[in-house]
Amino acid sequence: EDKVVQSPLSLVVHEGDTVTLNCSYEVTNFRSLLWYKQEKKAPTFLFMLTSSGIEKKSGRLSSILDKKELFSILNITATQTGDSAVYLCAVVYAGGTSYGKLTFGQGTILTVHP
Amino acid sequence: NAGVMQNPRHLVRRRGQEARLRCSPMKGHSHVYWYRQLPEEGLKFMVYLQKENIIDESGMPKERFSAEFPKEGPSILRIQQVVRGDSAAYFCASSPPRRGAYTDTQYFGPGTRLTVL
Repeated sequence: EDKVVQSPLSLVVHEGDTVTLNCSYEVTNFRSLLWYKQEKKAPTFLFMLTSSGIEKKSGRLSSILDKKELFSILNITATQTGDSAVYLCAVVYAGGTSYGKLTFGQGTILTVHP
Repeated sequence: NAGVMQNPRHLVRRRGQEARLRCSPMKGHSHVYWYRQLPEEGLKFMVYLQKENIIDESGMPKERFSAEFPKEGPSILRIQQVVRGDSAAYFCASSPPRRGAYTDTQYFGPGTRLTVL
């Protein structure tokens, strides 16, 4: 059975800390991996990763994919209270009847204290 | 450019009633997906639609749930004879026509929170 597993499930840090969130996957027919941030509303898109070893960056956030070891990490440096959210990773399938749907991990709840 | 629109944002139904959830994709997007988020659980895929076609409904419960995306108008997720276990947040997402991996990104609406009394 296909799986997307995130760790840790929750994380509490103080402002200024750096955090690393993990996402591992076991899926057939992998195509790409997406990271989302979910506050009390819609998941908002952060990154899409398709190639191994190429880091994507956006401000204090960065992410990288390892297709050989089947995982991705999301780094947040100099965390702020506004980074508090649930971070979701999701896998896109390459084809067949599963093409198009996202399979999500259970999410990592990040809490940043002032 | 408006994002994905969903309405209503909150819906309260009594057991046995019908719930109709609407989703208007982003302009130019022809693919619509519905996901359900149960309390304390992650997002689970339900159905993937293109205009007038259901592409993948492997995540839809076999009974009481149906979805459509007509040629004109929003996508509709219909739940008949709701039960308490249907209480959840229902999210719609859309993506543009497929032209390579960059179009894999799905953009989510704000969700409809269904409460069944």
